[in-house]
Amino acid sequence: GESVGLHLPTLSVQEGDNSIINCAYSNSASDYFIWYKQESGKGPQFIIDIRSNMDKRQGQRVTVLLNKTVKHLSLQIAATQPGDSAVYFCAENQAGTYKYIFGTGTRLKVLA
Amino acid sequence: EAGVTQFPSHSVIEKGQTVTLRCDPISGHDNLYWYRRVMGKEIKFLLHFVKESKQDESGMPNNRFLAERTGGTYSTLKVQPAELEDSGVYFCASSLLGGAGEQYFGPGTRLTVT
Repeated sequence: GESVGLHLPTLSVQEGDNSIINCAYSNSASDYFIWYKQESGKGPQFIIDIRSNMDKRQGQRVTVLLNKTVKHLSLQIAATQPGDSAVYFCAENQAGTYKYIFGTGTRLKVLA
Repeated sequence: EAGVTQFPSHSVIEKGQTVTLRCDPISGHDNLYWYRRVMGKEIKFLLHFVKESKQDESGMPNNRFLAERTGGTYSTLKVQPAELEDSGVYFCASSLLGGAGEQYFGPGTRLTVT
C-alpha cells in the first residue's frame, strides 16, 4: 500500500473514544468542503461534506464542523472503531472551480 | 456499479523512461480529474477534463506530462521523460457534476522512478 509520509500528523485514540481531526483550510473564498478517508492501498473515500452556509453537519457517527471566521474545519468520529484507522484528508473547493485543494492529512490510529 | 479504476497499480521505471497511466472513470461521469501525491505531501490537483476537453490543466507541473481523454471515456497520463521527483501516487477521480460535489477516487497508481 501507499506509504503515508514520514511527517504525517498522527492521532492515537482508544477504541470506543471519540476522535477529533482538525484542518485549517487556505482559501477564504472556498465554499464547499469534504472529508476523505484513505486506507492503505486505496484511494480517498468520501466521508462527509459541508457547504459554507452551514456550520455543522452530521452523518452516521461523524460530524463536520466549519468555522469560517478562522478557516477551520474539524471531523468528529464518535465511538471510534478499529476500522476507522486510516489517513484523513480535508479538501476545499472554491465556487466556480472544479479542483479540490487537499490538506496534508492526519493519520488516525485506533488502539485496542 | 464499478468504481474508478486505474492501471497499473504500481510502476517502477528508470529516470528518462516513459510511463503511461490509465484511468477508467465511472460510467456516465463526464468529469475526470487527475491528482498526485508526491513525497507523502498533500494530494495536489493536476488537471480536469469535461468529456474529451481539458477544462483546467493549471496543476500540470511541466511539459513532460501529457494527459488525454480521446472519446471522452478513459484517460491516460503520460510522463516523458520521467524524473526522480515524479515518484508518487497518481490518483484519478470522476464526478457526474462539476464544481462542488463528490469526486469519486480510484485506488491510485504508485509510480517509482529510480
